[in-house]
Amino acid sequence: AQKVTQAQTEISVVEKEDVTLDCVYETRDTTYYLFWYKQPPSGELVFLIRRNSFDEQNEISGRYSWNFQKSTSSFNFTITASQVVDSAVYFCALSEAGSNFGNEKLTFGTGTRLTIIP
Amino acid sequence: ETGVTQTPRHLVMGMTNKKSLKCEQHLGHNAMYWYKQSAKKPLELMFVYNFKEQTENNSVPSRFSPECPNSSHLFLHLHTLQPEDSALYLCASSQDLDSYNEQFFGPGTRLTVL
Repeated sequence: AQKVTQAQTEISVVEKEDVTLDCVYETRDTTYYLFWYKQPPSGELVFLIRRNSFDEQNEISGRYSWNFQKSTSSFNFTITASQVVDSAVYFCALSEAGSNFGNEKLTFGTGTRLTIIP
Repeated sequence: ETGVTQTPRHLVMGMTNKKSLKCEQHLGHNAMYWYKQSAKKPLELMFVYNFKEQTENNSVPSRFSPECPNSSHLFLHLHTLQPEDSALYLCASSQDLDSYNEQFFGPGTRLTVL
């Protein structure tokens, strides 16, 4: 069974500091997809990134970067030079391509609440 | 309107009431989802529809009844709810059920059951 663990329940950092959100996953499939979503106070989850299991290249998008390591089953998310607008709950999620239900089995972690202190 | 919209944004109801949550997506997607988000718990997938057909009912109590009249609209009918059903109910859509596709979420309906 697939599982996503976000051990950090809450993190607070001072603005402009860097912060890393951890995500560890479990799956028996060799083909799967990992996602990060952001949930601001307004409520809707906003898609940030998707990674497939065959692409371990790290990705950078502005102040955001993602470190995917299959050896440790981790998909960590780093925000550089954090800003107050980054305050939100961040969710890591996993979808197994081999599942009979496809996207129906998108499994989320419990989320990490990030607070950026001005 | 763009993206995924949900109404109402907030709902307070008694245990004997009947109410409905509405979701509409303006993205041309074929799959739609209902999730329940409770404090300190992972998002719980409740129902999945693909091309208006229900493909998943994740052991949800019968007091929750989904309806999908077309690919753009999704309803969640509520009746005789319990206080533990109080949560944020999120609607999402995706192009189809391919595992590759990201889901687009609405802002949710904050439900309080008294």
